Amino acid sequence: QKEVEQDPGPLSVPEGAIVSLNCTYSNSAFQYFMWYRQYSRKGPELLMYTYSSGNKEDGRFTAQVDKSSKYISLFIRDSQPSDSATYLCARAPGAGSYQLTFGKGTKLSVIP
Amino acid sequence: GAGVSQSPSNKVTEKGKDVELRCDPISGHTALYWYRQSLGQGLEFLIYFQGNSAPDKSGLPSDRFSAERTGGSVSTLTIQRTQQEDSAVYLCASSLGLAPQTTYGANVLTFGAGSRLTVL
Repeated sequence: QKEVEQDPGPLSVPEGAIVSLNCTYSNSAFQYFMWYRQYSRKGPELLMYTYSSGNKEDGRFTAQVDKSSKYISLFIRDSQPSDSATYLCARAPGAGSYQLTFGKGTKLSVIP
Repeated sequence: GAGVSQSPSNKVTEKGKDVELRCDPISGHTALYWYRQSLGQGLEFLIYFQGNSAPDKSGLPSDRFSAERTGGSVSTLTIQRTQQEDSAVYLCASSLGLAPQTTYGANVLTFGAGSRLTVL
């Protein structure tokens, strides 16, 4: 079983929709969770970063971690065509850990 | 520099040839990472450097892969006797210290655009 599972999609939504992207993980030692966004032919860029359970908001983006169910989510409100990209979840065991484990990524298309 | 720079952006080579991929990290970033992104496989960790040292090379797929970093800055990933299964995007990233963080708060990876390798 992969340590981080992510539905690869593709996911297509109309502009303005609320998008929900999800990952599950298997190792309860994971403490740090990240969402990266990757545009075509570009490297991933950090979007959200969370430590511990609960929600974290940044503008139209909300990252949610549920450690009891080992589930992490990214919500995008009022989605825009510029949000069209591949979204990768990642985790790390703890502070000082150099090795991030990534999900395979979910490809999102927001249709105008 | 302003960001992580990788070269070449695209490389097409014949099976059996050697290739070198270069990464120029953000100035002042002591940690440097190589990842590989294959179609449908996500990002696979290869190796990381703290300064010029590579404490963990366990992610390298085979002994045909090697990497070095000089002057605490530029890194080169070398693939010898390339095989078709080596075709992928090779991503380099750097961070101020050991990622994801050395203290509470983000100390996260900044990725380059990648080097796309195609082995014919």
